[in-house]
Amino acid sequence: EAGVAQSPRYKIIEKRQSVAFWCNPISGHATLYWYQQILGQGPKLLIQFQNNGVVDDSQLPKDRFSAERLKGVDSTLKIQPAKLEDSAVYLCASRPGSEETQYFGPGTRLLVL
Amino acid sequence: SQQGEEDPQALSIQEGENATMNCSYKTSINNLQWYRQNSGRGLVHLILIRSNEREKHSGRLRVTLDTSKKSSSLLITASRAADTASYFCATTQNSGGSNYKLTFGKGTLLTVNP
Repeated sequence: EAGVAQSPRYKIIEKRQSVAFWCNPISGHATLYWYQQILGQGPKLLIQFQNNGVVDDSQLPKDRFSAERLKGVDSTLKIQPAKLEDSAVYLCASRPGSEETQYFGPGTRLLVL
Repeated sequence: SQQGEEDPQALSIQEGENATMNCSYKTSINNLQWYRQNSGRGLVHLILIRSNEREKHSGRLRVTLDTSKKSSSLLITASRAADTASYFCATTQNSGGSNYKLTFGKGTLLTVNP
């Protein structure tokens, strides 16, 4: 079974630029999550999708972050414009409806200069 | 906000020794999970213990849960160099229906020296 795929793996941008991350969850997983993990901390949930609908985006900084999952499969997370404090690893995870375990992708490491 | 707090923040042991990591949390939970993160990689699920369970085993892993103290421990027996990683506890609160939300702690960095 293929795991959660994410791209790119690394991205370096300057502040005020835009950046987008892509996630392809495990086939058949209806629930998809985006997390932000700052160095030395645990992942923090940004947004949760159930199929193509948003379930929880209470911790998403909506003035600069946006995410979509148009067809209920792949998802993109965008930051526009980026700030220095957005430097982090962005993790995507998916979960089948029958389990409470989440399956994580390798993450995208973002550095904002 | 982060629900779980792991202790210690860092742990260094020799290969073959046992490693114990603790996690405390603040609010009631449905279950508690432990994840491992190797350097530069995503998280891998290790074990899940439900709120009505007190102890669970999986291979060299042993997890305990004390809901009265709102704490959990992860024991790794006979550690190996390959166990070197960050370990996170994550609590699940059921926000309704199938909306299971994971809240992670800051993690324990385990180093196993060969």
